[in-house]
Amino acid sequence: AQSVTQPDIHITVSEGASLELRCNYSYGATPYLFWYVQSPGQGLQLLLKYFSGDTLVQGIKGFEAEFKRSQSSFNLRKPSVHWSDAAEYFCAVGAPNTGTASKLTFGTGTRLQVTL
Amino acid sequence: DSGVTQTPKHLITATGQRVTLRCSPRSGDLSVYWYQQSLDQGLQFLIQYYNGEERAKGNILERFSAQQFPDLHSELNLSSLELGDSALYFCASSARDGYSGANVLTFGAGSRLTVL
Repeated sequence: AQSVTQPDIHITVSEGASLELRCNYSYGATPYLFWYVQSPGQGLQLLLKYFSGDTLVQGIKGFEAEFKRSQSSFNLRKPSVHWSDAAEYFCAVGAPNTGTASKLTFGTGTRLQVTL
Repeated sequence: DSGVTQTPKHLITATGQRVTLRCSPRSGDLSVYWYQQSLDQGLQFLIQYYNGEERAKGNILERFSAQQFPDLHSELNLSSLELGDSALYFCASSARDGYSGANVLTFGAGSRLTVL
């Protein structure tokens, strides 16, 4: 079974500082990997996804993530955080080659607070 | 607007009651997923339908049921409600990535259920 661990429950960064949110997954092969963001009172918005190929993926809002097979990690990064990035971030894993039967397993989320 | 429509946005009801949550997927998406988000359990996958048929099942209680209709909208029925069922219920729909075949989920804004 697939699982995701986000070790940081809450992170606070200053506006303009760099950000890295950690995500570790458990899966027998290379999974599909996703980062979603949830602003207060909102649904989840897809930031970026990794299926295969280039291990550094670019997403929306200036975010990027790097897949590291040796560390079973898919950490999310942003070089300069804006106050509007304050939200909850979820890492998710999906199993490839499941046809029309699929689901995503989500981590517990990391709440990002941005100080001015 | 993600294109996934959920109604109602908010619902307050009493223990023992039954409610129905409704979801309309994005145009063209055949799969619908239901997730429950609560403070203590995080984001939990409940069930997935593809073109009217159940495809994957998660931690869905026997008191809960779902279906997907011919027009592809879906309903999640929650009965004999308990205080612990208070949560945010998300619907998502998916389209398959043309290159990888992966399912990419797009979430609705959620239905917040409060059981008193």
